[in-house]
Amino acid sequence: RKEVEQDPGPFNVPEGATVAFNCTYSNSASQSFFWYRQDCRKEPKLLMSVYSSGNEDGRFTAQLNRASQYISLLIRDSKLSDSATYLCVVNSASTSGTYKYIFGTGTRLKVLA
Amino acid sequence: NAGVTQTPKFQVLKTGQSMTLQCAQDMNHNSMYWYRQDPGMGLRLIYYSASEGTTDKGEVPNGYNVSRLNKREFSLRLESAAPSQTSVYFCASREENWSPLHFGNGTRLTVT
Repeated sequence: RKEVEQDPGPFNVPEGATVAFNCTYSNSASQSFFWYRQDCRKEPKLLMSVYSSGNEDGRFTAQLNRASQYISLLIRDSKLSDSATYLCVVNSASTSGTYKYIFGTGTRLKVLA
Repeated sequence: NAGVTQTPKFQVLKTGQSMTLQCAQDMNHNSMYWYRQDPGMGLRLIYYSASEGTTDKGEVPNGYNVSRLNKREFSLRLESAAPSQTSVYFCASREENWSPLHFGNGTRLTVT
């Protein structure tokens, strides 16, 4: 089982739609969680951190479910400019005391006019 | 504020050639990372540096070496490039243990 798993998509949705992505992780000791956005051939850019109580930033809402070991990202009122790949990232402390970031392979979103 | 800067942006090498990818950050971060990204795979960690003067291997270190020159700079060296090293390379840094990573623009490397 991969440490971080995402549905690769693509998710094709019309403008204005609401779309949700899930990401599951295997390490129950994981401590911090993030969603990144990556445009074609560009660097990943932080979209939002994910907090235990859930958090919202404009049209974007992130949730964390520690019991079931998944995080989610909800995008409301989708815009054409939301078309991108969304990466789930999980940060855990390793047995050596270092911190490692595990990336999902990403979920592709295409918002259609 | 430039953030994380990588050079070069593009590079083509012949098999067996060597090169160094440069990375610098101006955010006073302690930890720096080198990742590679290949189609259909998530970002994979090559090497990281938890603090100035320390470096450690990541998931895919073979064929690479790194130098943490000072707090700002972390370079990645390919001593003898191979076609399997054709990839997009990203440098990143972070502020604290649980902080998010900040990425540079990437270096697109092709080895023929």
